[in-house]
Amino acid sequence: DAGVTQSPTHLIKTRGQHVTLRCSPISGHKSVSWYQQVLGQGPQFIFQYYEKEERGRGNFPDRFSARQFPNYSSELNVNALLLGDSALYLCASSLVATGDTQYFGPGTRLTVL
Amino acid sequence: QQQVKQSPQSLIVQKGGISIINCAYENTAFDYFPWYQQFPGKGPALLIAIRPDVSEKKEGRFTISFNKSAKQFSLHIMDSQPGDSATYFCAASYLQGAQKLVFGQGTRLTINP
Repeated sequence: DAGVTQSPTHLIKTRGQHVTLRCSPISGHKSVSWYQQVLGQGPQFIFQYYEKEERGRGNFPDRFSARQFPNYSSELNVNALLLGDSALYLCASSLVATGDTQYFGPGTRLTVL
Repeated sequence: QQQVKQSPQSLIVQKGGISIINCAYENTAFDYFPWYQQFPGKGPALLIAIRPDVSEKKEGRFTISFNKSAKQFSLHIMDSQPGDSATYFCAASYLQGAQKLVFGQGTRLTINP
C-alpha cells in the first residue's frame, strides 16, 4: 500500500501570497494531522482533522486553515505568507482519532521570499 | 513554552557502540511517548513508543527507558550502525483527545564506520 503522499514536493512563494498544500492519507486512514517543521527544529502541530471535523488546533495564527474532504484527503491553506512561514510542512495520517500511531508523509518544502 | 526538552543536539558514536538520547517533559498528563527517526528529505518514521505504565520497552536494537517520577525518558541504540545515522526526535502526546504530538528539538546522530 502507498504511504502518505503530499504535493507539491517543493514550492516557492513571495511574501503576501497564498499557498495550498495537499495530503492524501494511507488508504483506510480517517485522521489527518498537519505539522510545521522549521529547519533544525522538531515538528510543531498545526491541525488535526477526523471525519472532516477539526479535532485539534495548535498555536498558529488564523492565516492557517485546513479542511478534510469526504475521501479523507486534506488541504492546508496559508494566507498572507511571511518569511517565517518557510518550513517543511508534514502531513500525518492515522486510522482513528485518538491513541493511534501517526504515519508521516515526506512533506512539502515551502520557501517564502 | 518548550514542553519536551531533548539532548544532546548532536551525537557521534563509533560503529558498534551505544547511542543514548535523553528527553525530559513537563506535562504530567502526557501518556504516550514515541521516538521518531528522520532521514534527510523524508518525513519522520515511528521507531518505538512507550506508555508510562512500563519502565522499559525493547524492540531489536532499540530500547526506551522511562522514569515517570523524574519525567524523563531515553532512547538507547545498541550496536549502532552507519545506517542509523539520522535525526531522532522524542515526542509526547495524549492517548485521548486530539492527536497532538509535542516534539523535542531533535538529535543528529552520526555513526562513524
